[in-house]
Amino acid sequence: EAGVVQSPRYKIIEKKQPVAFWCNPISGHNTLYWYLQNLGQGPELLIRYENEEAVDDSQLPKDRFSAERLKGVDSTLKIQPAELGDSAVYLCATRGRNTEAFFGQGTRLTVV
Amino acid sequence: GNSVTQMEGPVTLSEEAFLTINCTYTATGYPSLFWYVQYPGEGLQLLLKATKADDKGSNKGFEATYRKETTSFHLEKGSVQVSDSAVYFCALSQYGNKLVFGAGTILRVKS
Repeated sequence: EAGVVQSPRYKIIEKKQPVAFWCNPISGHNTLYWYLQNLGQGPELLIRYENEEAVDDSQLPKDRFSAERLKGVDSTLKIQPAELGDSAVYLCATRGRNTEAFFGQGTRLTVV
Repeated sequence: GNSVTQMEGPVTLSEEAFLTINCTYTATGYPSLFWYVQYPGEGLQLLLKATKADDKGSNKGFEATYRKETTSFHLEKGSVQVSDSAVYFCALSQYGNKLVFGAGTILRVKS
């Protein structure tokens, strides 16, 4: 069974440019998370979805970050415009009804 | 709010040495506790978990016991291998919601 798939794996952009990350969950997993992992730190939640509904987006910087999960399957996280401080690894994780969370390999963003 | 504190690294050990990585937590109620491992170039993988007090999680020779009285979930392994070199994260979750992670501990095992 395929795991959580994220793309791209790496992205380098200039500041003020937009960027988007994509996540394809494990089949049947209704819960989807986006986490931010800064260098040398643990992941921190940005947003949690239950199916297509964002049930916890309190930590998402809504002035520049947005996310969507159309049809409750794939999800996209967008930053516009990107800032130097957004350089980090963006992790997607999904969870089924009675399973633990499974993580994708992440997208490493570098803003120059 | 909920939080996790784990020992700072890097931890450097020789092969076959005993490993302990300390983890303590702050939470209301009784969270579930986890250890995740991140090997170089890979995503986070669940190593073990415990869902209630006095439970012991174990996997691949690693163990951790949920200690409510000391709010701890220390990770141990009796004999580490070079292949155990990775970053280890302690985490908690309540009511199946988000995971709250510690800062991670780098483990380096030398042959």
